[in-house]
Amino acid sequence: DGGITQSPKYLFRKEGQNVTLSCEQNLNHDAMYWYRQDPGQGLRLIYYSQIVNDFQKGDIAEGYSVSREKKESFPLTVTSAQKNPTAFYLCASSRRALNTEAFFGQGTRLTVV
Amino acid sequence: AQTVTQSQPEMSVQEAETVTLSCTYDTSESDYYLFWYKQPPSRQMILVIRQEAYKQQNATENRFSVNFQKAAKSFSLKISDSQLGDAAMYFCAYTPPWAGANSKLTFGKGITLSVRP
Repeated sequence: DGGITQSPKYLFRKEGQNVTLSCEQNLNHDAMYWYRQDPGQGLRLIYYSQIVNDFQKGDIAEGYSVSREKKESFPLTVTSAQKNPTAFYLCASSRRALNTEAFFGQGTRLTVV
Repeated sequence: AQTVTQSQPEMSVQEAETVTLSCTYDTSESDYYLFWYKQPPSRQMILVIRQEAYKQQNATENRFSVNFQKAAKSFSLKISDSQLGDAAMYFCAYTPPWAGANSKLTFGKGITLSVRP
């Protein structure tokens, strides 16, 4: 079945450590997105990519990094520079023309301990 | 920059009744797309309905319909015959029509809808 897969579902990180969240899609979508969801804040865009080997910062990119080496993969690294990384992270993909539906993964809950 | 505003953080509706969720947006574009997404307790985002700005007719999907007021930049979602399974967080979203490097999907803060049995 086609879809978008995020892993792991739950992730625990010690302060000062970098951690990478995985996002893979087999929908042949060009565009991929990372959002952060906090209570009362809605979905805030971290990074997005419209094509392979190209990506743009979203509204809250500080402390995060991404890569887009393959069309189907868009991993997000939460670095130690991110001041408050505990949150729910959602990955999405869509065809390059955004008038079509965006598909979302099931999310990763990151907790810093 | 485009912004999407959902000013009501929470709403409640009686089962079988009708409820309207509000959304306003700001853009300088004349053509664009608007969406309502649903996030149930499982947290899996699901598309509810989509509206193309150049279409005057309001979109409808079964019990879900929108009231699109382009001049007022308003995009409300009406849920008729509310069911317990409609309880979720609902997000309004905007996207420009072009697929350039800076094209992105912008969301509002969401509204939590509860359904009373």
